[in-house]
Amino acid sequence: KAGVTQTPRYLIKTRGQQVTLSCSPISGHRSVSWYQQTPGQGLQFLFEYFSETQRNKGNFPGRFSGRQFSNSRSEMNVSTLELGDSALYLCASSYIAGGSTDTQYFGPGTRLTVL
Amino acid sequence: TQLLEQSPQFLSIQEGENLTVYCNSSSVFSSLQWYRQEPGEGPVLLVTVVTGGEVKKLKRLTFQFGDARKDSSLHITAAQPGDTGLYLCAGPPGYSSASKIIFGSGTRLSIRP
Repeated sequence: KAGVTQTPRYLIKTRGQQVTLSCSPISGHRSVSWYQQTPGQGLQFLFEYFSETQRNKGNFPGRFSGRQFSNSRSEMNVSTLELGDSALYLCASSYIAGGSTDTQYFGPGTRLTVL
Repeated sequence: TQLLEQSPQFLSIQEGENLTVYCNSSSVFSSLQWYRQEPGEGPVLLVTVVTGGEVKKLKRLTFQFGDARKDSSLHITAAQPGDTGLYLCAGPPGYSSASKIIFGSGTRLSIRP
């Protein structure tokens, strides 16, 4: 089974621009979660989608948004980029959603640099 | 706010030595997970502990969940260079948090050959 794939792997943007990141979950997985990882704040939960509906959202501004398509693929969008948005953005998929012991499978991440 | 504090932040030891990494909180967690993340990759789940006092073994790795479910430890016996990576503990926060899961700050482990 193919793992979680994320595209692009690396991205450089300038302040004020917007960016869209893509995540393809493992086949059969219906839950997709997004995380931001930075050296200062560590790994922080952004949001989770299940069956095209956002189920949970972390404490991030409205500039961060996402969506999930009927094939479970997900995209996240960050508008009006700030320098502090530079981070590794990780996507994780799981078979079901909401369980505290669900096994999440992470993709390799998209490294976003904002100049 | 529920926090997971990991210690030490960095650890560099010689191959063959033993080590313990700690994950502590002032709050009770219904379960805790341990992940290992290697450079250029996403975290990989190692284990989930759900019962206070639970001990799980994964080859040379031993995971323990505290009796009060506020802390956990990871013990590695006879460390090998392949154990190098960032170790993260994580758990579901309480009802007051919108976040699905919170992660500790991580322990960066380096095993020298």
